[in-house]
Amino acid sequence: AQRVTQPEKLLSVFKGAPVELKCNYSYSGSPELFWYVQYSRQRLQLLLRHISRESIKGFTADLNKGETSFHLKKPFAQEEDSAMYYCALGRAHAGKSTFGDGTTLTVKP
Amino acid sequence: ETGVTQSPTHLIKTRGQQVTLRCSSQSGHNTVSWYQQALGQGPQFIFQYYREEENGRGNFPPRFSGLQFPNYSSELNVNALELDDSALYLCASSFSSGGGTGELFFGEGSRLTVL
Repeated sequence: AQRVTQPEKLLSVFKGAPVELKCNYSYSGSPELFWYVQYSRQRLQLLLRHISRESIKGFTADLNKGETSFHLKKPFAQEEDSAMYYCALGRAHAGKSTFGDGTTLTVKP
Repeated sequence: ETGVTQSPTHLIKTRGQQVTLRCSSQSGHNTVSWYQQALGQGPQFIFQYYREEENGRGNFPPRFSGLQFPNYSSELNVNALELDDSALYLCASSFSSGGGTGELFFGEGSRLTVL
């Protein structure tokens, strides 16, 4: 069975501090991992996906198959990063995406 | 480019009634997925439609059903509504060449309240 765990419901950091949002998954096959973000009064949107291996808005995430993790990191948080972040696990050739319950990130000035 | 649109945005029903939610997918997309999001939880996968066929289903009873039309728009139908069906229902469209997951583009959701 697919499962995604985001252990922190709430995360608060000061502007300029590093931030790491944790995501662990369980899946027996070859996973596709995503981070989605929802800013205030906006719809859910893709932030980044592991296969693209790119940095978006200063965020990066590395897939660690040994630890079954896909943590999201940013070295210097900005106030505009305050949002709800969801980690999601997808599968090639099958429709289901499994989402974690999300982490609300607050970046304080 | 038109994004994913959902209707209605809010609705109130009573227990036992039936509801139909609608979704227009983003231009160029051929796959539609539906999610249920209860308060404080992440989106839960209901089902996906690819080329007008159901392509994967989550742990939802048969009273949750759907359709995808030739223009790739979609409907979610829920029969015999229960109080626990109260939630935000999200539609997401994507382009897939093989019915896989891919990047999901979400609508703003339909907020259903069952009394």
